[in-house]
Amino acid sequence: DAGVTQSPTHLIKTRGQHVTLRCSPISGHKSVSWYQQVLGQGPQFIFQYYEKEERGRGNFPDRFSARQFPNYSSELNVNALLLGDSALYLCASSSIAGNSIGTQYFGPGTRLLVL
Amino acid sequence: GNSVTQMEGPVTLSEEAFLTINCTYTATGYPSLFWYVQYPGEGLQLLLKATKADDKGSNKGFEATYRKETTSFHLEKGSVQVSDSAVYFCALSDNSGGSNYKLTFGKGTLLTVNP
Repeated sequence: DAGVTQSPTHLIKTRGQHVTLRCSPISGHKSVSWYQQVLGQGPQFIFQYYEKEERGRGNFPDRFSARQFPNYSSELNVNALLLGDSALYLCASSSIAGNSIGTQYFGPGTRLLVL
Repeated sequence: GNSVTQMEGPVTLSEEAFLTINCTYTATGYPSLFWYVQYPGEGLQLLLKATKADDKGSNKGFEATYRKETTSFHLEKGSVQVSDSAVYFCALSDNSGGSNYKLTFGKGTLLTVNP
């Protein structure tokens, strides 16, 4: 079975631009979460979505937004890019049982460089 | 809030040496605990997990036991290989209050195993 896929793998943008990152979850998983991993640090939670609704949000500015589609894939959008947005962006998918989220499985990430 | 504290790296060992990477946590509820591994240039892979006190997670020769009394989840392996060289992340998800969608990570420990 295919794992979590993300696109693109690498991206270079300049300050002030916007970017859209994409994620396809493992087949059968309905929950998608996004994390930002700055070089040398652990991943930081950005968003979690399931059933196309935002279920959780981390401490990130409103420049960051996301959505989930009927096929459970997801997009992360970042507007007005800053140098500090340079990071590896990770998507994780998980199953849902009742009100519980299952183990999160990560994709390979999108490496964003802002110049 | 929730937090995870990991042993500072980097850790350098010779092949077949014993590995311990310490991890302690602070959580308001009854968290699930995880170890993820990140190989160079890749995303995160789930290594092992434990969902309640005294549970032992194990995979590929790695083990960690959920110790509620010491709020710890130390990672161990009896004999490391060169292929174990990677960054190891300890993480928790807090299963109380409906917030178990979010993983909180430690800063990571870089392990280098020399032949």
